Amino acid sequence: EVQLLESGGSLVQPGGSLRLSCEASAFIFNKYAMAWVRQAPGKGLEWVSAISASGGSTYYAASVQGRFIISRDNSKNTLYLQMNSLRADDTAVYYCAKARRPQPPLSFDFWGQGTLLTVSS
Amino acid sequence: SYVLTQPPSVSVAPGQTATLTCGGNHIGRKSVHWYQHRPGQAPILVIYEDRDRPSGIPERFSGSNSGDTATLTINWVGAGDEADYYCQVWDTSSDHPGVFGGGTKLTVL
Repeated sequence: EVQLLESGGSLVQPGGSLRLSCEASAFIFNKYAMAWVRQAPGKGLEWVSAISASGGSTYYAASVQGRFIISRDNSKNTLYLQMNSLRADDTAVYYCAKARRPQPPLSFDFWGQGTLLTVSS
Repeated sequence: SYVLTQPPSVSVAPGQTATLTCGGNHIGRKSVHWYQHRPGQAPILVIYEDRDRPSGIPERFSGSNSGDTATLTINWVGAGDEADYYCQVWDTSSDHPGVFGGGTKLTVL
């Protein structure tokens, strides 16, 4: 069974940095694009970023462009999200999601349980 | 950027049919995907590419897409279907291509 296990969420001060990780198992990781999707408290799902299967192409939401960096280590079956210049409105549960194909257009057939990031002083 | 519009809430009696809509400019030209999200759980893909069901999703779930509206239909609704439902597209013409609708809360009366 496909498993996606996010980690790294915590309480961070505004302006701080944090890296989220997503460890994947039970599928051939290097054959599928991956993504991060978040849900702020009381809000809907918001797509954050995606990366192709090879890692050669990356995509970002306007709200995080220039502050967040998505990457993957296919040798470790792990997806990352480096988050810099964090703001209060980045507070959310961050979900790791597996895409159905190696490159866009993307939809997401498996999701993790999420990890909570709180940005507050 | 591309905008997807969903009604905030839909209510339906058990055993009836729920019709959830997702509006977007010429959305019929795009592939639409639907997710079910229960509080505290991981989202679940219930329809991809307008009308296809992933393995394990009941036939009660169906999708269509034409013109400016995509639709998720759930037949014989039960209490277990109560959740938030989101539509999603990948807008290849945008620098920020991943798009979710605002979500619809389905309440089973």
